[in-house]
This record gives sequence, structure tokens and C-alpha cells, in this order.
Amino acid sequence: GAGVSQSPRYKVTKRGQDVALRCDPISGHVSLYWYRQALGQGPEFLTYFNYEAQQDKSGLPNDRFSAERPEGSISTLTIQRTEQRDSAMYRCASSLSGGGVYEQYFGPGTRLTVT
Amino acid sequence: AQSVAQPEDQVNVAEGNPLTVKCTYSVSGNPYLFWYVQYPNRGLQFLLKYITGDNLVKGSYGFEAEFNKSQTSFHLKKPSALVSDSALYFCAVRDRGNTPLVFGKGTRLSVIA
Repeated sequence: GAGVSQSPRYKVTKRGQDVALRCDPISGHVSLYWYRQALGQGPEFLTYFNYEAQQDKSGLPNDRFSAERPEGSISTLTIQRTEQRDSAMYRCASSLSGGGVYEQYFGPGTRLTVT
Repeated sequence: AQSVAQPEDQVNVAEGNPLTVKCTYSVSGNPYLFWYVQYPNRGLQFLLKYITGDNLVKGSYGFEAEFNKSQTSFHLKKPSALVSDSALYFCAVRDRGNTPLVFGKGTRLSVIA
């Protein structure tokens, strides 16, 4: 079956521009997660949703970052007024439920480069 | 706060030899533990998990991991390595509350023919 998809796969933007990253989870998965992964590091939690409700946004680094999942399926991570330090791989994952026992399935990621 | 340590940045092993990728963790209660593998230009793929029960868990591609509560470890193992196992491996932990999954920094496994 179809896995988690993300678009775009690569995004180059100029400093100060806004970007929107999209995640399409596995059909039927209740929970959706966003991570940021720097080179040579593991994924770092940003935020997660159960259905359309944002359950935890403690990992968002500042108020330029926001995320939504309005219909409980596709999610968008938006970064406003991008800065060079925002350059990273952004990964999305989904799981059957938010309970800790369920493994997360990851998408291929969006490589963001801010110039 | 939860944390994961993968003490080796790189592990090299000859094809056919057993491999071990180390992971230790810290959580306030009982952990849920996971291993993921990342191939070049691909997303992370789930390998196996420990939730409860038998300390030895088996996963995809012949990998297994042993949960050791006293040593707070969850090392990944495989009896006979393949060149195709060469990849980046991540250990991750969360506690039994609704807390985020915390990943280690990864260990690059290189299997040499």
C-alpha cells in the first residue's frame, strides 16, 4: 500500500520567504508527527496531531513555525520568514494511534535549503 | 527527560560476521524502545520494537534486539551481516506516557565483503 508521502522533496528558498511543507500520511493513521533532522543527527520532534487536534507542539523552535491538519489527514508545516538556520531535512511520520506502543512510519522527507 | 545514547558513530564488520549496534537509554519509567534504519535518500524504516514481555525481540531482515533493564540497554544484533545491511541505524525511546519519541544520533554500519 501507499506509504507516507511528502512534498516537495527539495525546496530552496531565500531568507525571509515563507515555505509550506506538505505531508500525506498512510490512510487510516490517526497520528501524524513532524520532525526536523540535521545532518549527522537523529530526527528531532517538532509537533504531533491526533486526527485534526494538535496534541503537542513543544518541539516547535519558535513562533515562526506552525502546523495544521484541518481534516485529520494531510498536514502542512509552515515556516514564516525563513532563516538560514532553518535549513534541514523535515520529516513526517504517521502511526495507527498516538499510544506509545505503535511504530511510526516515515516519509522520504523534504530537504529545505534557505539561501 | 528521556534520552538515548548511541556510543559508536561507525561500526565496521565483515560480511558473514555477527554485528552489534549499541544503544542505551534513560527514561523516568518503563520504556518503549525502537530501532529504525535509514538507507541513502530514503526515509526511516521501522525494524523492531520492545513494548513488554520477552526481552529478546525479533524484527525485519533477520535483526533482533535485547532489552536489558538493569543496564538500560537495547542493543541491535544480527547473527550474520550482509553487505546490504550497510546503512544508518537509529535507536529511539519514549516513556509510557504520551511523550515524544526521542532518537539517538545514529550509528553508521558498514559491512565489508
